[in-house]
Amino acid sequence: AQTVTQSQPEMSVQEAETVTLSCTYDTSENNYYLFWYKQPPSRQMILVIRQEAYKQQNATENRFSVNFQKAAKSFSLKISDSQLGDTAMYFCAFMLASNTGKLIFGQGTTLQVKP
Amino acid sequence: SAVISQKPSRDICQRGTSLTIQCQVDSQVTMMFWYRQQPGQSLTLIATANQGSEATYESGFVIDKFPISRPNLTFSTLTVSNMSPEDSSIYLCSVYGGPGNEQFFGPGTRLTVL
Repeated sequence: AQTVTQSQPEMSVQEAETVTLSCTYDTSENNYYLFWYKQPPSRQMILVIRQEAYKQQNATENRFSVNFQKAAKSFSLKISDSQLGDTAMYFCAFMLASNTGKLIFGQGTTLQVKP
Repeated sequence: SAVISQKPSRDICQRGTSLTIQCQVDSQVTMMFWYRQQPGQSLTLIATANQGSEATYESGFVIDKFPISRPNLTFSTLTVSNMSPEDSSIYLCSVYGGPGNEQFFGPGTRLTVL
């Protein structure tokens, strides 16, 4: 069975600074996807970034980038130039390519961006 | 991208009653799912809503407690039956597909059971 672990329940960062959220996962499969989702107080789940396991290049989306270490089964999210609107719960998620739509989520990290 | 709406957005119910949550998508999608998010916790997949056939439930979830319908490719319902306070959660509809093979979530239904 696959598992996803986020070991940082809460984090804070000053506005304009950089923060990294950690995520590790466990799987014996080789073909999968990894995601970071953001859930603000409105509770709407918003996709931040997606990484295909077969791609060696780390995904980036504007201020958001990942450090994907496949051998170490690590998938951290770096937020650069943090903004107040980045304050939210962040979930790391795993999906087997053979089980599309079935996400396995980590416990979440609450990020507070301070002015 | 797919736009998903859910009704109701929130409800407060008495124990022993049932609530049906509706999920409407603005485009035809192959795959629809229902997730649960218990207070302060992460999301857990309840079931896959299959069009025209019985839903496929994940371990720990049963049809008698969470009956699901999916009469067409854009609509699904989840019923939470014989509710207890432990059912107090956010229930989210999700779809997968589209040109980019993306996963989208509805805004969720916040259920409180007294």
